[in-house]
Amino acid sequence: RKEVEQDPGPFNVPEGATVAFNCTYSNSASQSFFWYRQDCRKEPKLLMSVYSSGNEDGRFTAQLNRASQYISLLIRDSKLSDSATYLCVVIPNNNDMRFGAGTRLTVKP
Amino acid sequence: ETGVTQTPRHLVMGMTNKKSLKCEQHLGHNAMYWYKQSAKKPLELMFVYNFKEQTENNSVPSRFSPECPNSSHLFLHLHTLQPEDSALYLCASSQDRGLDYEQYFGPGTRLTVT
Repeated sequence: RKEVEQDPGPFNVPEGATVAFNCTYSNSASQSFFWYRQDCRKEPKLLMSVYSSGNEDGRFTAQLNRASQYISLLIRDSKLSDSATYLCVVIPNNNDMRFGAGTRLTVKP
Repeated sequence: ETGVTQTPRHLVMGMTNKKSLKCEQHLGHNAMYWYKQSAKKPLELMFVYNFKEQTENNSVPSRFSPECPNSSHLFLHLHTLQPEDSALYLCASSQDRGLDYEQYFGPGTRLTVT
């Protein structure tokens, strides 16, 4: 089993749609979780951390389910500028990030 | 944004060549990382340096040789590479190596081995 697995995508959605991505991780001792965003031919950038109680940042909501070992990212009211690849990131107990392969999102007019 | 810079941005090299990738961070961070990103694969952590000391080497072949002369600079020396080493090589830095520190990435060097 891969350390971090994500929805394969791609997701093609119209502007204004709500879209959700899931990510599962294999190491139950993982302690920190993030979503990074990577635009085409650019470097990854932190989108948001994922906290146990769930957290929201504008149109973005991240949730963590430790029992089932999955993380989700919900994007409401999608914008064209949300088109990117979304990387799920997990830090196991050895302090180094483990990345998923990414889910590609295209928002269309 | 020029927090983490990488040179060159693109590199084409033959299998017998020797080249070096350079990374510089201007953020005052203590930890630096090299990652490999191949198409449709997760980022693979290659090396980690914390306070100039190498703390991680994830079974990377010896044809990749890192060097960290100070906490702001990181090099990746390449020699006798294989075509399957063609990928995007990303450098990153964080305040320290730890659970809650955001990593800042450079723009990457796109390497093609012919």
